[in-house]
Amino acid sequence: EDQVTQSPEALRLQEGESSSLNCSYTVSGLRGLFWYRQDPGKGPEFLFTLYSAGEEKEKERLKATLTKKESFLHITAPKPEDSATYLCAVQARETGGSYIPTFGRGTSLIVHP
Amino acid sequence: NAGVTQTPKFQVLKTGQSMTLQCAQDMNHEYMSWYRQDPGMGLRLIHYSVGAGITDQGEVPNGYNVSRSTTEDFPLRLLSAAPSQTSVYFCASSSTGVWSNQPQHFGDGTRLSIL
Repeated sequence: EDQVTQSPEALRLQEGESSSLNCSYTVSGLRGLFWYRQDPGKGPEFLFTLYSAGEEKEKERLKATLTKKESFLHITAPKPEDSATYLCAVQARETGGSYIPTFGRGTSLIVHP
Repeated sequence: NAGVTQTPKFQVLKTGQSMTLQCAQDMNHEYMSWYRQDPGMGLRLIHYSVGAGITDQGEVPNGYNVSRSTTEDFPLRLLSAAPSQTSVYFCASSSTGVWSNQPQHFGDGTRLSIL
């Protein structure tokens, strides 16, 4: 069974304190790994897609990287507005010709001013 | 551009009642899906559709029905609500192409409580 595990479950940072979130996965035939940001009371908002090991994507203070077993979301000098839950999703399993994504449980990030 | 619109935003039902959660997208996306999000669990796929007239089951389909008569709309029906269906429901869509390569666009959810 495909598994996606995110760690830590919760992370508290001071403004400017860089850190990383982890998404480890055990799937066969990875087709894509997605990072989303979810604010309270809102739906997930797409951040990045990574397709192959070694790939990196950046957006403002966020940088996502991918290996064969895990992905990291690096947050450099975070600001309070980066506070949110970050979700990881893996697309690998094929069912009836379509693909069903598997989501992790998320990492809740709070950045204190 | 409204994106994915879900209605209602909040709903309280009694056990055994039925209702329909509405989802509409204005991006001409072929792929649409319904998820539920429960505390301590990841998003779980209920049903999905790869185009008008085509639907299929996800991980947790029991107790839910869907139909897709148009590209824009993908309603989710609860025929006889149960307390276990208390959750936050999200609708999502993605663009034409290989499902696995396209990110999903989510609505802001329907918060459903069943008493």
